[in-house]
Amino acid sequence: DIQMTQSPSSVSASVGDRVTITCRASQGISSWLAWYQQKPGKAPKLLIYAASSLQSGVPSRFSGSGSGTDFTLTISSLQPEDFATYYCQQANSFPQTFGQGTKVEIK
Amino acid sequence: QVQLQESGPGLVKPSETLSLTCTVSGGSISSYYWSWIRQPAGKGLEWIGRIYTSGSTNYNPSLKSRVTMSVDTSKNQFSLKLSSVTAADTAVYYCARGAWNDFIFDYWGQGTLVTVSS
Repeated sequence: DIQMTQSPSSVSASVGDRVTITCRASQGISSWLAWYQQKPGKAPKLLIYAASSLQSGVPSRFSGSGSGTDFTLTISSLQPEDFATYYCQQANSFPQTFGQGTKVEIK
Repeated sequence: QVQLQESGPGLVKPSETLSLTCTVSGGSISSYYWSWIRQPAGKGLEWIGRIYTSGSTNYNPSLKSRVTMSVDTSKNQFSLKLSSVTAADTAVYYCARGAWNDFIFDYWGQGTLVTVSS
């Protein structure tokens, strides 16, 4: 299985801050990567696919980059509704695997 | 707007079989891959497996010996059976629709908590 490792595990930030989350794959996955946002008690929500393509309806303050083994999710200006846990997921091969999550908390 | 809804018992005894159904509304179940994903409390996400509307399946090797999925296109439903459950199978179970390269998930159910306990 491809292991996905996110860092940091949690980050404290203020409204308006720029936040960057990284995700590393244990082997190259080209651009076969997605990012999800999950709020407590809710299902994950797809934010980005193909490493950098914004899902329809997702605000443009979210962006993704990277290829191969190293990827980043950036929130350019953190909004109150962005406090949540974020997961990366490799979409390269079976079984699909997720990172352990990064919790974005209010500073 | 596509909606997914999981249903099934919230409590299953150890060694028994967990059975869940996902009902798709607002769109056809046809021509998509449909997955089950689970999340133990306070932990990350684990993909269990997927089924295409033709009935073709792919399972996570870690669970393959215990998983069976089926689809009923006439009812716009697909189902999960997980046999010989233990406390380690206690989790919120989500159903989800495959998207893009069919390996990611664009629509999710709200999730249903299944507890394995005697």
